[in-house]
Amino acid sequence: NAGVMQNPRHLVRRRGQEARLRCSPMKGHSHVYWYRQLPEEGLKFMVYLQKENIIDESGMPKERFSAEFPKEGPSILRIQQVVRGDSAAYFCASSLTSTAVGTGGHEQYFGPGTRLTVT
Amino acid sequence: TQLLEQSPQFLSIQEGENLTVYCNSSSVFSSLQWYRQEPGEGPVLLVTVVTGGEVKKLKRLTFQFGDARKDSSLHITAAQPGDTGLYLCAGAASGGSNYKLTFGKGTLLTVNP
Repeated sequence: NAGVMQNPRHLVRRRGQEARLRCSPMKGHSHVYWYRQLPEEGLKFMVYLQKENIIDESGMPKERFSAEFPKEGPSILRIQQVVRGDSAAYFCASSLTSTAVGTGGHEQYFGPGTRLTVT
Repeated sequence: TQLLEQSPQFLSIQEGENLTVYCNSSSVFSSLQWYRQEPGEGPVLLVTVVTGGEVKKLKRLTFQFGDARKDSSLHITAAQPGDTGLYLCAGAASGGSNYKLTFGKGTLLTVNP
């Protein structure tokens, strides 16, 4: 019973390169969330996706960042032209539903994260 | 913007001691989740509390949600070295955006043998 899977676990990119982070949700989960954890800071919400739809991207920088969750395959967080300030741990979470507070279906389960280092 | 303050930020105790960590906000949350995160790993969900005043127990861990759903506490009885880790609370917004979790910065607990 696999949990949320993320790859790669560690990614090193030079300034100006592109970073692609992948997330496969738990089996049966169709809701995916991306969070970023900067050193000395808490996790910050970036984006919420369902299959083929971006539901809320209010936490994602307007430039250079994009996310998708295609009909087939993993969710992808893409960062173009990376800068040093993008260095962080990026976590993906998934849930069975997004609402239904009280039934547990909305509980978010996190993957192990991708640690991005920009040199 | 909803904020969650966790205290203490750091806690170092001896095996067998009891401890309580706190999670406070001026905002009301529809639910609150506690996670534990180990170095190099993602947060692992421990419990979700939903109802004001709710108390949940998980072996030696007791979680309480404040009556007004603005704060929560985690109490550990007879702490063990295996309890060492970063404890995070996360509140789900009320209303239509209740999928959006706001995290505190965490309490880093070290239990010494």
